[in-house]
Amino acid sequence: QSALTQPASVSGSPGQSITISCTGTSSDVGGYNYVSWYQQNPGKAPKLMIYDVSNRPSGVSNRFSGSKSGNTASLTISGLQAEDEADYYCSSYTSSSTLFGGGTKLTVL
Amino acid sequence: EVQLVESGGGLVQPGRSLRLSCAASGFTFDDYAMHWVRQAPGKGLEWVSGISWNSGSIGYADSVKGRFTISRDNAKNSLYLQMNSLRAEDTVLYYCAKDMRYDSSGYYQDWGQGTLVSVSS
Repeated sequence: QSALTQPASVSGSPGQSITISCTGTSSDVGGYNYVSWYQQNPGKAPKLMIYDVSNRPSGVSNRFSGSKSGNTASLTISGLQAEDEADYYCSSYTSSSTLFGGGTKLTVL
Repeated sequence: EVQLVESGGGLVQPGRSLRLSCAASGFTFDDYAMHWVRQAPGKGLEWVSGISWNSGSIGYADSVKGRFTISRDNAKNSLYLQMNSLRAEDTVLYYCAKDMRYDSSGYYQDWGQGTLVSVSS
């Protein structure tokens, strides 16, 4: 059960768009459409932002979108805002377990 | 409002046991799968274990398989994690998390604030 691969950090200026990638294998990301993304602020519990690759839970801004191609999933945040600065984790559910990515720190410049 | 309150964490010696609890409120507990997810300070998230609404489906991460046991008591709206043979690497914050669905989907819609476990002699 290896962790999914995410870039350690990404950055962008307010108003810009950024994309965070999440690479797995055909046994997890590529084999199932059970990909999700979480936002975590310092000292807080994670918050579900995207599920089923591209669906947003109620209350999550439509500036957040998800997609998947092959073994790589992506989270795109458009119209970047200062409040988006946080850690982001991808996750992939298989029939027997859930894998998380190592996390990506988003810095809003 | 969904509330998940973990308890039972603390300092324990290597090789000893600890039982975590999660008290749930604000939703129909037996309509949802539940999970334990952990996080070392400054590190990433790691799924530990999950249990379906009726305890019919249970899963564990390889790192805890054979040492940890998850259970739930729907009459008490509570989730548990029995942790045996604890190791230094089990020193992390443990979150209780509510799934979006009755059978595990891997989508953790609500989280507690966590309980800290420290394994040290």
